Amino acid sequence: GENVEQHPSTLSVQEGDSAVIKCTYSDSASNYFPWYKQELGKGPQLIIDIRSNVGEKKDQRIAVTLNKTAKHFSLHITETQPEDSAVYFCAASSRRRSQGNLIFGKGTKLSVKP
Amino acid sequence: KAGVTQTPRYLIKTRGQQVTLSCSPISGHRSVSWYQQTPGQGLQFLFEYFSETQRNKGNFPGRFSGRQFSNSRSEMNVSTLELGDSALYLCASSFGTSGAGDTQYFGPGTRLTVL
Repeated sequence: GENVEQHPSTLSVQEGDSAVIKCTYSDSASNYFPWYKQELGKGPQLIIDIRSNVGEKKDQRIAVTLNKTAKHFSLHITETQPEDSAVYFCAASSRRRSQGNLIFGKGTKLSVKP
Repeated sequence: KAGVTQTPRYLIKTRGQQVTLSCSPISGHRSVSWYQQTPGQGLQFLFEYFSETQRNKGNFPGRFSGRQFSNSRSEMNVSTLELGDSALYLCASSFGTSGAGDTQYFGPGTRLTVL
């Protein structure tokens, strides 16, 4: 079935370093790719998203890249700070399903050490 | 603008009971999706409602059901609770009309514990 694979499952970096999280999707009709950050005891918070007609999008220290041919997208966080520590989820939405149906990756626990 | 709200935030039930969870979407949003989050399975889609109609359903048994009211508020119900239903139940709201992917905003979730 349709799935989204996310790597790595855990990531530890020093404050100020960059962090990269990668996801691949199986459904070639996927057209929307959001990234969420989830802190302990809270719901997922949208941090950035990209649509299939765009290859890259940036928002301050966060960027997402999309390679439709390889069915691969990545989250890049530069100049990491301790408050970036959280679990990050990638997701994909497909034209085959209704807009409200996101398929999520398993998550990456990011730890930023001061 | 107020975010997505969910009530209650915590619930403890016993096996065999039923439970109803509530979600109020962001003002102006007409789509509400429900997800189950567990450590083992991650985030899994339950169903989506748009304008009081179920638009899509995930791969969950019929014990899981939902509905949406004319003001877009939504409820989900789980009957005959099982231990494996213990999870964080999240709802997400969106405008529901974008053909190129709809941005979903999540609530804080309801933590359900089944004993």
